[in-house]
Amino acid sequence: DAKTTQPPSMDCAEGRAANLPCNHSTISGNEYVYWYRQIHSQGPQYIIHGLKNNETNEMASLIITEDRKSSTLILPHATLRDTAVYYCIVRIPLKNGTASKLTFGTGTRLQVTL
Amino acid sequence: EPEVTQTPSHQVTQMGQEVILRCVPISNHLYFYWYRQILGQKVEFLVSFYNNEISEKSEIFDDQFSVERPDGSNFTLKIRSTKLEDSAMYFCASYGPGEQFFGPGTRLTVL
Repeated sequence: DAKTTQPPSMDCAEGRAANLPCNHSTISGNEYVYWYRQIHSQGPQYIIHGLKNNETNEMASLIITEDRKSSTLILPHATLRDTAVYYCIVRIPLKNGTASKLTFGTGTRLQVTL
Repeated sequence: EPEVTQTPSHQVTQMGQEVILRCVPISNHLYFYWYRQILGQKVEFLVSFYNNEISEKSEIFDDQFSVERPDGSNFTLKIRSTKLEDSAMYFCASYGPGEQFFGPGTRLTVL
């Protein structure tokens, strides 16, 4: 799986958009970009994933650059409950006929403040 | 919304004792996983399980660890002889279309 690079921490004011960057310059053509978050030692929570098109769901938007070497997770209106560690993971979802594991890095610790 | 459940939420054991951590994955999922997270460290993959057998395991998953799906709903992780360094949060996950769903975790404390 391709390696990802994320800033260790970011701050965001409540109500503002949180933009979390991720570099994955060695991504291969069949690898997807996944975002998960972990709120204070709870189980990781899936946020969104994409291959090359921008994606949006009820939680967030994912913007992937045209060369796919980087991406940005956008939380449009951050709240205090969005304070968490955010992980960007690049992987092939199905490998050798089975759903592949997730390899977590150290992620970005997002602190949302009043 | 369906969810992965884990029991117990907290397990305290003496070094050398056996522990069994239990998970109930989402009912129509076919792929199951265990991960662990030592306090302050990264979430680490332990093992994946599909079609009643291990499909992949990490170096951490040595002979002291085993997994089982004893019936149609439960998925268990057994540690035969616990060590101090096994103290961690253990997360079960199951895979559905497009994503892995994680349980809330079991905090294992080995004394």
